[in-house]
Amino acid sequence: AQSVSQHNHHVILSEAASLELGCNYSYGGTVNLFWYVQYPGQHLQLLLKYFSGDPLVKGIKGFEAEFIKSKFSFNLRKPSVQWSDTAEYFCAVNGAGQGGKLIFGQGTELSVKP
Amino acid sequence: GAGVSQSPSNKVTEKGKDVELRCDPISGHTALYWYRQSLGQGLEFLIYFQGNSAPDKSGLPSDRFSAERTGGSVSTLTIQRTQQEDSAVYLCASSPESIYGYTFGSGTRLTVV
Repeated sequence: AQSVSQHNHHVILSEAASLELGCNYSYGGTVNLFWYVQYPGQHLQLLLKYFSGDPLVKGIKGFEAEFIKSKFSFNLRKPSVQWSDTAEYFCAVNGAGQGGKLIFGQGTELSVKP
Repeated sequence: GAGVSQSPSNKVTEKGKDVELRCDPISGHTALYWYRQSLGQGLEFLIYFQGNSAPDKSGLPSDRFSAERTGGSVSTLTIQRTQQEDSAVYLCASSPESIYGYTFGSGTRLTVV
């Protein structure tokens, strides 16, 4: 069965610090990968997605993620975080043959101190 | 509509009662999904409708949970004989095709007392 593991439950950073959130998945076949963000009081929004091609994917608000197939990883990065990045971040995987079903990780809560 | 609409936004129910949660997807979206978000548990897949195909019910946690989608549009998630462990935020999402352009609703917060 597919599974997604996010290594950090809660990350606390100061503004301008660099961010890397870990995500590993378990699935033997072709995958599509996603990062979603949920700002306080708001609904889930797509940050970025990987389907194929360049494994370095750029998303909104300066976020990027790198798909490393050999490590089954899709880590999220941002060189310099802002207070407005405070939110919960979810990694998700869709496996080939699974239709539209997404399997989500447990989420990482990011708190950015001004 | 402009987005995925879910109702009610909050529901408090007594243990043992049945509840119905409604999702109105974006017009024209053929795929509709239900997820459950519990504190510290991330999002748990429940069920997925794609067009006229049989739904993927593989995530429903028990036979107390069921869902239907009428006319390829509105969906209702029903939980029978609610238990306290059913307390969570139930999220609906829709997309024009599988996996592309998922849009989430704001969810229904269910509290079973």
